[in-house]
Amino acid sequence: EVQLLESGGALVQPGGSLRLSCAASGFTFSNYVMNWVRQAPGKGLEWVSTIRRSPNNIFYPDSVRGRFTISRDNLKNTLYLQMNSLRAEDTAVYYCAKNRVDDTSQFDSWGQGTLVTVSS
Amino acid sequence: EIQLTQSPSPLSASVGDRVTIACRASQSISVFLNWYQQKPGRAPKLLIYDASSLQSDVSSRFSGSGSGTDFTLTISSLQPEDFATYYCQQSYRAPVTFGPGTEVDFK
Repeated sequence: EVQLLESGGALVQPGGSLRLSCAASGFTFSNYVMNWVRQAPGKGLEWVSTIRRSPNNIFYPDSVRGRFTISRDNLKNTLYLQMNSLRAEDTAVYYCAKNRVDDTSQFDSWGQGTLVTVSS
Repeated sequence: EIQLTQSPSPLSASVGDRVTIACRASQSISVFLNWYQQKPGRAPKLLIYDASSLQSDVSSRFSGSGSGTDFTLTISSLQPEDFATYYCQQSYRAPVTFGPGTEVDFK
């Protein structure tokens, strides 16, 4: 059974940093494209980042590019999201999600989410 | 960036109803449209990918159709566990974008 378990969410001040982790099990982690998707309280879903099987292939939307860094450790089966220069609008539940296959951006498995709150 | 709109929102229905949710893209996305279900406090769940392909372990009462800019998600006979919010998502071009969601609630 595929399992994704996020951790690292916390209350952080504006301008601060945080690193999220997503521990994966139940599938061959190194074979899959992985993603972060967030959801602000009471709002819809927003794609945050994608990392392909090769860690050099990384993608971000404009809203986080230059502030967030996605990475993966295929030996530890873990996905990361380093978040710097955090803003109030980054407050959200952050989900890691696995691609169904290849580069389809079809997210077939999700973690339970971890809450990041940016506030002074 | 490709924009997605959904209608109606919200959608009030009863158990046993046939329910249809529409999603429209701001430009043609071929069939690169996916549907998710989300219940309160839970992660989204993939229902349909590539406009009409049923994800494994998803009930066959869910179906999808469409291509180009107009797509629909249909629930053939609404069940109590189907009351949730449904999101469409395009995977045609980066950045991946989601629709605003359609909440299906009790009439």
